[in-house]
Amino acid sequence: GAVVSQHPSRVICKSGTSVKIECRSLDFQATTMFWYRQFPKQSLMLMATSNEGSKATYEQGVEKDKFLINHASLTLSTLTVTSAHPEDSSFYICSARGPQGNTEAFFGQGTRLTVV
Amino acid sequence: QKEVEQNSGPLSVPEGAIASLNCTYSDRGSQSFFWYRQYSGKSPELIMFIYSNGDKEDGRFTAQLNKASQYVSLLIRDSQPSDSATYLCAVRDTGNQFYFGTGTSLTVIP
Repeated sequence: GAVVSQHPSRVICKSGTSVKIECRSLDFQATTMFWYRQFPKQSLMLMATSNEGSKATYEQGVEKDKFLINHASLTLSTLTVTSAHPEDSSFYICSARGPQGNTEAFFGQGTRLTVV
Repeated sequence: QKEVEQNSGPLSVPEGAIASLNCTYSDRGSQSFFWYRQYSGKSPELIMFIYSNGDKEDGRFTAQLNKASQYVSLLIRDSQPSDSATYLCAVRDTGNQFYFGTGTSLTVIP
């Protein structure tokens, strides 16, 4: 299947700093990528839909100025958590729809963010 | 508000038994249905997808879809301890948006 690579897998940062998470589609072009957040023992919560070359679409309740999404190329989307606080500590996962004709979503490995 | 509902469990079955996982969805226009497995601390991985009413089998896994009842299930035959994980049901709507259920925790007891 298609491969989506997410980096870093783990990051610890100080409160008030910013963290960038990268999501790459390695062997296909992904015009649309999705960013999710998952708290312990809870399901995936969609944060935003990232479209190449245009502004991301954020879900209700997600602060677009805090969670900056850039999808500058067909293989890379980035999520930047700005001025991170301990409550932002979570598991962040990206996914991309597969190549044309392939409709399932492929997930990155996830990023465990801990804000101290 | 589009909803995908699953019994959170935990569901426990003995090794070798059949595990049955259920999911209902609210949007009648939903087109595609997916089952993902997620181990603790890991990202979800796709197990099966189904588009048409009826059953779809892949090895020990069978997905069942009933669009009239807005119901999709996953059966795992000959359950193994390695099947212990959280299983997420996902639904793709006409806008190509994915909606996930809260997941069912499955434990297979050796």
